[in-house]
This record gives sequence, structure tokens and C-alpha cells, in this order.
Amino acid sequence: GDSVTQMEGPVTLSEEAFLTINCTYTATGYPSLFWYVQYPGEGLQLLLKATKADDKGSNKGFEATYRKETTSFHLEKGSVQVSDSAVYFCALSLTRGNTPLVFGKGTRLSVIA
Amino acid sequence: GAVVSQHPSRVICKSGTSVKIECRSLDFQATTMFWYRQFPKQSLMLMATSNEGSKATYEQGVEKDKFLINHASLTLSTLTVTSAHPEDSSFYICSASGAAGAGEQFFGPGTRLTVL
Repeated sequence: GDSVTQMEGPVTLSEEAFLTINCTYTATGYPSLFWYVQYPGEGLQLLLKATKADDKGSNKGFEATYRKETTSFHLEKGSVQVSDSAVYFCALSLTRGNTPLVFGKGTRLSVIA
Repeated sequence: GAVVSQHPSRVICKSGTSVKIECRSLDFQATTMFWYRQFPKQSLMLMATSNEGSKATYEQGVEKDKFLINHASLTLSTLTVTSAHPEDSSFYICSASGAAGAGEQFFGPGTRLTVL
């Protein structure tokens, strides 16, 4: 079945460090890919998305490129801030919204000053 | 755009009572809404999928008589936890998707339920 695998956390970085959170997927079709972020005590917010191979999603300094050849969608940021501390979820969708997203287990990021 | 609200944000109730949680899409029509449950430091567990005007589809292991879901309009879905018990205490999150888009869902801020 369809699945998403992302790196286990927690990840602890110093402020201004480079961030990579790995995400790979298995899907029977051609999924859309997403990164969501969850701040403590809140729901999930869509961070970025990509809908086809080689698309790059970007938002708030975060980027991820849809790599069909490696079935990956790694999240990167060049310089993290304390305010980026949150849980990050990679997800895929094979339809235009009427079926559930397939989520990874989430990666907790802590950024220390 | 694409804002989803949930109400209440936090509720404490006594064991045996029922609690209703509302999920509203504020600026788009949500053809499908989803209800999730999240335990501390864990990922989201899908409970059910609901389409406007039809019965919800529950995931395996989720009691449909305990977790009543109604999706009466394109902007409102409700989850009622009936005869709540302490083990129902959790963080409940809804999400909504529209007919357009790439399949992304927009999430509400969540409801923290504590059953005493």
C-alpha cells in the first residue's frame, strides 16, 4: 500500500544550522506531496507542496523537491530559528481531496539558541 | 484563504457525558472532512472520513456508535463523543478539503478533550 517514511526524531539543532528532514514515499500512482508543520498545542499547517516530478515547493525559507527517481521529498532550510521548533509531517495524496492523506510519523525539531 | 475552525478548543467533561466538537470551513466549501485523533508525541490517527450529505466512513477499530459524525453542510462537520470515558481523552483534529487543489487538506486548530 501507499506509505510515507520520514526520519526518526527528535532532531536538535543550534540556531542558524542547516536542516534536512528526509522523507521517502511508496505509491501506486503519481502522488502530490506535502509537508505540514505542527506547533505545540495546535493543529497542522500546510508548509509546502509539490504536485509533479521535479517541482520544488517553498515557503518561509523551507524547500523540498519532488524527486520521482528516488521517491523522495526531503525538507531543507538553510538557517533554522528557534521559532522553527515544531513537529514536521511529510504526507502524500493520490486524489484531489476525497481520500485521506497518508502521513509519515512526524519528526520533532528542537532549535536551541 | 482555506481556514478551518474548530470549537471548542478545550473541553473538560465528566465520565458518561457526551461532547460535541464542531469543525467549520470558513472560506471554502469542504466536500470532504476528516477526523483525526492524536496521542501525545505521536502522529495523527485517522478516525473517519465524511462527505457532505452521506454517512461517514470509519476506520477499522473506531466505534461508529461512540464517535458520531455528521456532515450536514459543505461548511460544517461535527464529531460527538458519546458516553465519554477517561480513555477518550485526547487531542481531536479535523481537516477539510475542497473540490479544487492538489489533494491538500486544511486542518483545524484541534480540540483537547479531557474526561474526568
